[in-house]
Amino acid sequence: DTGVSQDPRHKITKRGQNVTFRCDPISEHNRLYWYRQTLGQGPEFLTYFQNEAQLEKSRLLSDRFSAERPKGSFSTLEIQRTEQGDSAMYLCASSQISGTEQETQYFGPGTRLLVL
Amino acid sequence: DAKTTQPTSMDCAEGRAANLPCNHSTISGNEYVYWYRQIHSQGPQYIIHGLKNNETNEMASLIITEDRKSSTLILPHATLRDTAVYYCIVRVWNNFNKFYFGSGTKLNVKP
Repeated sequence: DTGVSQDPRHKITKRGQNVTFRCDPISEHNRLYWYRQTLGQGPEFLTYFQNEAQLEKSRLLSDRFSAERPKGSFSTLEIQRTEQGDSAMYLCASSQISGTEQETQYFGPGTRLLVL
Repeated sequence: DAKTTQPTSMDCAEGRAANLPCNHSTISGNEYVYWYRQIHSQGPQYIIHGLKNNETNEMASLIITEDRKSSTLILPHATLRDTAVYYCIVRVWNNFNKFYFGSGTKLNVKP
């Protein structure tokens, strides 16, 4: 399977704990995005990387959230001191920017987080 | 990015064409229309996109009105597996690189 993969698929944690999610993009895709989706809503943008550089962060991304893409390949999203309001599906997407082609984002299956 | 308006839900009989409308009256000249769908508990799946010409691929057809203020996604022969939430998104290529999904249309394909 050469699509976007995410790990873990499900995570249950207690309030106050730290969690880390991983995303492996499609090989050679230079852009990687993180989104958050709550029940009944569409995905909301959190942040994105072009290669290893984090170029934009949403206001949704509080100080407790941090994302990295150290070598321009996989990415991690860490949430510190989790709160019940962090319960959501966290989605990763990747794309390839080249020339004037349209950018299509391809999404992974998501990580569903439940904070108790 | 221009915002979109979609009906909350639609029903379609299996085997019939599903026509999903989207209004994007504030679309700008360089904003593309993208369609994604999300089957329950899965990540969004890309379907099709276009600028001003109608587009067709193996999954669907996209019809964009001449003034570009609205579009319709057509699934020619809907199956039960097409039951999903369908999102219409408009965005400027290579500007704001995030997609604004909205709440989408829940398509229920019924036997």
